[in-house]
Amino acid sequence: EPEVTQTPSHQVTQMGQEVILRCVPISNHLYFYWYRQILGQKVEFLVSFYNNEISEKSEIFDDQFSVERPDGSNFTLKIRSTKLEDSAMYFCASSGQINYGYTFGSGTRLTVV
Amino acid sequence: GDSVTQMEGPVTLSEEAFLTINCTYTATGYPSLFWYVQYPGEGLQLLLKATKADDKGSNKGFEATYRKETTSFHLEKGSVQVSDSAVYFCALYSGGSNYKLTFGKGTLLTVNP
Repeated sequence: EPEVTQTPSHQVTQMGQEVILRCVPISNHLYFYWYRQILGQKVEFLVSFYNNEISEKSEIFDDQFSVERPDGSNFTLKIRSTKLEDSAMYFCASSGQINYGYTFGSGTRLTVV
Repeated sequence: GDSVTQMEGPVTLSEEAFLTINCTYTATGYPSLFWYVQYPGEGLQLLLKATKADDKGSNKGFEATYRKETTSFHLEKGSVQVSDSAVYFCALYSGGSNYKLTFGKGTLLTVNP
């Protein structure tokens, strides 16, 4: 069964450093997403991406965040200057149509120290 | 805005017990409703879905019925197994072209032998 692959599974970074979280969505999907889950809290929408541009973003997705699909297969989330409160599990997902549901990756646990 | 409220966990049951995890929602229009499951160390997997009122989603012995009058989508299983131990997330999609999902906080289920 097709999978969404995320790397790394766990990243530790110092406050103020840049991090790039990587995702390989399912190849024939058209919509791509990043969600995050702060420990013990709900899964929150960050951004959706369609047709090589951001289609919607949440208020969490401020200027320190950016997404890119650099080569037609990878889908990356960059955090320019990490803060302690960015520590969370970040999930990538892709979908064809919503009635079939999303396919999520296993997540990247980001720890900012 | 859209919101999903799930019963607080954790829920601990013995094998073969009956499971109910409550989920209620607030949304504009007529949302599609989903249950996702996250097994330890894995990503979010779609468990079941319902796209209109009175629909019943079912999978792997789990069921949930879309109740518009009570704005609920409670998850049930008649006889749980140890392998059902996981975090369960209720989610909705209320329309729009970006297929953004709104999640509940998740409910941790532990099934003891």
